[in-house]
Amino acid sequence: DTGVSQDPRHKITKRGQNVTFRCDPISEHNRLYWYRQTLGQGPEFLTYFQNEAQLEKSRLLSDRFSAERPKGSFSTLEIQRTEQGDSAMYLCASSLASDGGINEKLFFGSGTQLSVL
Amino acid sequence: SQQGEEDPQALSIQEGENATMNCSYKTSINNLQWYRQNSGRGLVHLILIRSNEREKHSGRLRVTLDTSKKSSSLLITASRAADTASYFCAPRPGGGADGLTFGKGTHLIIQP
Repeated sequence: DTGVSQDPRHKITKRGQNVTFRCDPISEHNRLYWYRQTLGQGPEFLTYFQNEAQLEKSRLLSDRFSAERPKGSFSTLEIQRTEQGDSAMYLCASSLASDGGINEKLFFGSGTQLSVL
Repeated sequence: SQQGEEDPQALSIQEGENATMNCSYKTSINNLQWYRQNSGRGLVHLILIRSNEREKHSGRLRVTLDTSKKSSSLLITASRAADTASYFCAPRPGGGADGLTFGKGTHLIIQP
């Protein structure tokens, strides 16, 4: 399978615990995005990387959220001190932005469903 | 980043009929993309239309773009049960430096 893979598919945690999700993008893709989606809503942009550099971060992203892409390949998204409001699907997407990103198309993983009890 | 707004929010039609959904946006764009999302899955890219194009086809999909009205439409012809999904538009502003953002989508249900 050469698509975007996310792990785990489902995560149940108790309020206050830390959780970490992993995303493996398509191998030659230089951009990697994280989105959050709640039921009935569209994906909400969180942050994105170009190679290992984090270029944009949503104002909605609290300090409890941190993302890394240490070698420009896989990425992790960590949520510290989880709250019930963090319950959502966390989607990762990757793309090959070869012309400055003007015509880039995103390829999404199947997401990690987080439930905070 | 710029978010598109899809209309209607929900659409239910009979199998075999055509489905049309619309997208409006606010500022000038370089291109506009449409994505589909089946329940519980990630989004899948359907089609990209550039700002200098007015219409584009891909299989049963037809996309139009009117930059003067800042709107786009997605037409699915001869709908099938498998087309049941949520559809999102993503306008791409000039420059390409910003991440793509999505609206709430149109939830399409195809009745057998």
